[in-house]
Amino acid sequence: ILNVEQSPQSLHVQEGDSTNFTCSFPSSNFYALHWYRWETAKSPEALFVMTLNGDEKKKGRISATLNTKEGYSYLYIKGSQPEDSATYLCAFLNRDDKIIFGKGTRLHILP
Amino acid sequence: KAGVTQTPRYLIKTRGQQVTLSCSPISGHRSVSWYQQTPGQGLQFLFEYFSETQRNKGNFPGRFSGRQFSNSRSEMNVSTLELGDSALYLCASSLGDRNQPQHFGDGTRLSIL
Repeated sequence: ILNVEQSPQSLHVQEGDSTNFTCSFPSSNFYALHWYRWETAKSPEALFVMTLNGDEKKKGRISATLNTKEGYSYLYIKGSQPEDSATYLCAFLNRDDKIIFGKGTRLHILP
Repeated sequence: KAGVTQTPRYLIKTRGQQVTLSCSPISGHRSVSWYQQTPGQGLQFLFEYFSETQRNKGNFPGRFSGRQFSNSRSEMNVSTLELGDSALYLCASSLGDRNQPQHFGDGTRLSIL
């Protein structure tokens, strides 16, 4: 059974602080990992597509790393702002054309 | 460039009925995927269509079906609705390469009474 776990499930962070959370996925048969941000009342928005072990991607204050050998990816947010409040989803794609989403990390930025 | 459009946004049905949801992808995108989101669950993959052919399928019963037209628009049909089918149904489009991100619509909220 393919399982993708995201932790923590929920996170409260003070505005201005930095934070990170994890996506764990099977370490075999890896093809790609996607990160999405899903704000309330909006549709999920793509952040990163990561394919190579050791990949590091950055978009403004948000960055992500990938370790396919041990099966995890970290998402980092530097200097959190209120607009960062959202649910962050990761999706694991394997070479058998399977796509599995994690349940997400719900991030709340406290003013 | 217009985004992914899903219609209707909200729908109320009763058990035993059937429903059809529609998704218009971003212009030029040939892949459309459908997902179900229920409380406490991650997005569950239903199926993917590419160039009018079902390319990939999740683990949902045969009551869930879909199709894609020559203009890449896609429809999803659910027959003999059950209470457990109440969910947010999202579609996502992409160019078709799995290394490309998916672009999601706002979803259709389906409630079964």
